[in-house]
Amino acid sequence: QSVLTQPPSVSAAPGQRVTISCSGSSSNIENNLVSWYQQFPGTAPKLLIYENRKRPSGIPDRFSGSASGTSATLGITGLQTGDEADYYCGTWDSSLSAGVFGGGTKLTVL
Amino acid sequence: QLQLQESGPGLVKPSETLSLTCSVSGGSISTKSYYWGWIRQPPGKGLEWIGSMFYRRTTYHHPSLKSRITISVDTSKNQFSLKLRSVTATDTAMYYCTTAYGSAHPIDSWGQGILVTVSS
Repeated sequence: QSVLTQPPSVSAAPGQRVTISCSGSSSNIENNLVSWYQQFPGTAPKLLIYENRKRPSGIPDRFSGSASGTSATLGITGLQTGDEADYYCGTWDSSLSAGVFGGGTKLTVL
Repeated sequence: QLQLQESGPGLVKPSETLSLTCSVSGGSISTKSYYWGWIRQPPGKGLEWIGSMFYRRTTYHHPSLKSRITISVDTSKNQFSLKLRSVTATDTAMYYCTTAYGSAHPIDSWGQGILVTVSS
């Protein structure tokens, strides 16, 4: 059971927009910054979003992040088949004094 | 961005100690810019944060693993390592070494990962 809760799967058609939610608590998301990672099968994850909404160099602006209260959201616009991957949210949990991840969301582009 | 490479045995017997090393290239492990960490991912499952170390001193460990793990840095070899004691089959996973700007996140560099199987 992950500390952060994500939907197991989401799907949308190419060109559409999709959002992936990440739900936590006051000990993690509400008081710490959230990161998002993208992972293709058989490869290491890659940083997509950090500090709730910032994008590392090279990440297209189709990817966006936001956070409010105890939840965070990853948004992807203009979906492409190449976006099919697993997506994870992560942050620090002040009660655990440990890093935590969501359980991951599998994105399918129909 | 640093390059990271994990090394170690791919098979460990139950009750023994899992020992992995991460070789760092493209920068010095003595820098105060990063936390050096470990993440694992059981087959077909999600990511689990194991722990991290900052500047050879401050360490953070996941509470469920805290009593079994040691993270250390070897500046002479530009490497850092993970030791996980008393392993069981539930410790079977892909292990990634990482660098992060915070104690756990954001993780901006990942090794390619090494699959460690715990089995007799």
